[in-house]
This record gives sequence, structure tokens and C-alpha cells, in this order.
Amino acid sequence: AQSVAQPEDQVNVAEGNPLTVKCTYSVSGNPYLFWYVQYPNRGLQFLLKYITGDNLVKGSYGFEAEFNKSQTSFHLKKPSALVSDSALYFCAVRDDGRSYIPTFGRGTSLIVHP
Amino acid sequence: DAGVIQSPRHEVTEMGQEVTLRCKPISGHNSLFWYRQTMMRGLELLIYFNNNVPIDDSGMPEDRFSAKMPNASFSTLKIQPSEPRDSAVYFCASSFSGSFNEQFFGPGTRLTVL
Repeated sequence: AQSVAQPEDQVNVAEGNPLTVKCTYSVSGNPYLFWYVQYPNRGLQFLLKYITGDNLVKGSYGFEAEFNKSQTSFHLKKPSALVSDSALYFCAVRDDGRSYIPTFGRGTSLIVHP
Repeated sequence: DAGVIQSPRHEVTEMGQEVTLRCKPISGHNSLFWYRQTMMRGLELLIYFNNNVPIDDSGMPEDRFSAKMPNASFSTLKIQPSEPRDSAVYFCASSFSGSFNEQFFGPGTRLTVL
């Protein structure tokens, strides 16, 4: 079985400050982990993914995420937030070789204040 | 490529009417997913096709919902008869097969059933 949790419904951060959006997961095998962003009235858009290799993954728009196997986490980070980063962020997981269907978290609303 | 195309973008109908949502996946992608998004329930997977064959339809709410994929470039999601609780945003997403591949989402169809 696979599951993912986003413990925060909303994250507030001031523009220019670093941001972190949290994600933890549970899988039976090895995880394939994804982050997506959804802007208002739009579909989800892929940001980055971890498959294997380097634990720090860099993605679009200056975002990065760190895979931590011992803590089963895949937190999304950005060194300096922009107001335009305000959106809904989804973490998703697939169990290596066991499922072609991803499980999505409930989403975290990121609000960046000017 | 134009990305995943969905039509219509907005649909307003009356309870009891038939609704058909359409999706054109990205050319070359052989996996297709239909999702429903609401504030209350978040993002829900309805059905997953691989190579035009329905693989997992366990998320289809009830017999009022049906989905087809007659060829690699077209899929439909039909609701008959529609009910007010079906009001949601419906997304189609496509990807290459394989657990490590990210999904590409369409812009969604906002359905309102009066």
C-alpha cells in the first residue's frame, strides 16, 4: 500500500524568505516521489520528481526537494519565496514496480505575503 | 505539443441531464487518468487507462459514471443522469507508462449541476 501526507493545509511566508512545504510518505517498496503545483483555475503542473540518485532534486521555478529515506519525507523548498509562488502544492507517491497509479496528498496552500 | 486538451472548459446543466466530458491526451502518451477535484474531497482518481484499456475504475463513484477510450488520442467521461453532487472540476491527465513518469494535466472542466 502507498500513502502520502501533507500535514499543513496552509503555509504562510513573507516574500524573500525561505519556504518549506512538507510531505511524508509510506510505501512497501522504493518510492517514486513527485511535486505538482496548481495555480487558480488551472490544472496541476509538474515541478520535480525523485526516482533515484542524489537526494536533493532541483526542479522548475527555483524549487527543490530533499528526499530523506530515514524520515520518509520529501519536503519542497525554495530559498527565496515570490508572491507569484502562491498556489496549491501537491505531493504524490508511487510504489516502485507495484503501482502505476500515484497517490496524491490533499494539497498545501502556499500564501506568500508581499 | 499543445498539451492535454479538455472540452468543454465549463459546463452548466440541470439535474438529470447527460454530461459528456472530452479529453485529448498528449501524443505518444499511453496512460490516461480521469480525476475529480472538490474542496471537500480533494483530488480523486476516477479511472486509469493504459494503452486504451481501462485498468482501474475503482474510483468511479457509481453506475451513473462511465468512461471510454476508443483510441489513443481521445477519451470521454460520461455522467448519466447528472446530480448536483457531481458538481466539481474534472481533470484528465496523461503520461508515458511507467511508475517513474510524471503526469501532464489538462486545464479541467468545471461542471455545475443545478
